[in-house]
Amino acid sequence: AQSVTQPDIHITVSEGASLELRCNYSYGATPYLFWYVQSPGQGLQLLLKYFSGDTLVQGIKGFEAEFKRSQSSFNLRKPSVHWSDAAEYFCAVGGGSYIPTFGRGTSLIVHP
Amino acid sequence: ETGVTQSPTHLIKTRGQQVTLRCSSQSGHNTVSWYQQALGQGPQFIFQYYREEENGRGNFPPRFSGLQFPNYSSELNVNALELDDSALYLCASSLGGGAIEQFFGPGTRLTVL
Repeated sequence: AQSVTQPDIHITVSEGASLELRCNYSYGATPYLFWYVQSPGQGLQLLLKYFSGDTLVQGIKGFEAEFKRSQSSFNLRKPSVHWSDAAEYFCAVGGGSYIPTFGRGTSLIVHP
Repeated sequence: ETGVTQSPTHLIKTRGQQVTLRCSSQSGHNTVSWYQQALGQGPQFIFQYYREEENGRGNFPPRFSGLQFPNYSSELNVNALELDDSALYLCASSLGGGAIEQFFGPGTRLTVL
């Protein structure tokens, strides 16, 4: 069975600082990996996805993620965080049916 | 282009009642997936509808049922509500029976008392 672990429930960063959100997955074959963002009162928005090819994936809003098969990880990064990035971030893994299994999320708090 | 819309935004029900939630898919999308997001958790897949047929189901009991209409809008019905059914219910639309590029609605917040 596929599963996702997001080990950090909350992350606090200062505006302008760099960000890395951790995601570890379990899946028996090559996974499809996603990062979504959820702002209060809104649905989920896809930030980026990995299916194959280049292991460094660029997404929207200046985010990127790197797929590391040896570590079963797909960490999300951003070089400089803006106050508007404060939100809940979800990592998800999918298989052949593409139906994603989500992690429990990491809440990002941005200090001015 | 109209995005995914859901109604109602919030509702409160009592245990044992039945509820129907509605979702309008994004223009041109023929696939709708429903998710349950409990407080402090990630979304859990309930089921997916593709061209008016159920196209996959997660680990939810039969009292969770759905429909998809010819215009690809969808309903989620939950019978015999339980306290644990309190959650945010998300609808997502996509194309072609998969969930590669899903677009989510804002959700319906259901509270069961």
